[in-house]
Amino acid sequence: QLVLTQSPSASASLGASVKLTCILDSGHSAYTIAWHQQQPEKGPRYLMKLNSDGSHSKGDGIPDRFSGSSSGAERYLTISTLQSEDEADYYCQTWGPGLVVFGGGTKLTVL
Amino acid sequence: EVQLVESGGGLVKPGGSLRLSCAASGFTFSTYNMNWVRQAPGKGLEWVSSISGSSSFIYYADSLKGRFTISRDNAKNSLFLQMDSLRAEDTAVYYCARANSGTYVTDYWGQGTLVTVSS
Repeated sequence: QLVLTQSPSASASLGASVKLTCILDSGHSAYTIAWHQQQPEKGPRYLMKLNSDGSHSKGDGIPDRFSGSSSGAERYLTISTLQSEDEADYYCQTWGPGLVVFGGGTKLTVL
Repeated sequence: EVQLVESGGGLVKPGGSLRLSCAASGFTFSTYNMNWVRQAPGKGLEWVSSISGSSSFIYYADSLKGRFTISRDNAKNSLFLQMDSLRAEDTAVYYCARANSGTYVTDYWGQGTLVTVSS
């Protein structure tokens, strides 16, 4: 079964960096995922597609502060120089034969 | 510029039907897979359905149990979601989403349309 696991919450200070994690189940550890950001009261926004080798392609207008990396079944989203507008929910997404799956989301608080 | 504009949401009674539409522009619609994704109040994102560019492949979330039907009209650059036998738990914002080339991962989102199922 294709499953993505995310921690429900994370926090970091203004100007610092934070690394969010999305974990693929063991049977799908090589899958490509996408990261999305959803600011409060707004629709989701595509951040990037992230491959198992860590290569990634970002969406239009996504700042260099956002980067992705991979290690085994784990996919990471690193946000550098945190700004107040980075406070949001972050979702990972993948797809498999006949289905699309979202992680439960991580709520990022910027302190 | 890629644009996805949903319409058709509103208030409907339990057991009723609703048809959502999504008008796409700024890209060659027929060459992209498309998704519907929903978000219940205070909840996370939930995949609803996907359709390939030529409509050859169609997929649904198991939880829908045949109540929803996805379709597209490539001549009119439009995506649709027919929702029947609606339940209170279908209350959500429904997003039209383009899938990244050759995948079903979303790379553009619409603004969403709210569907409320209530008596």
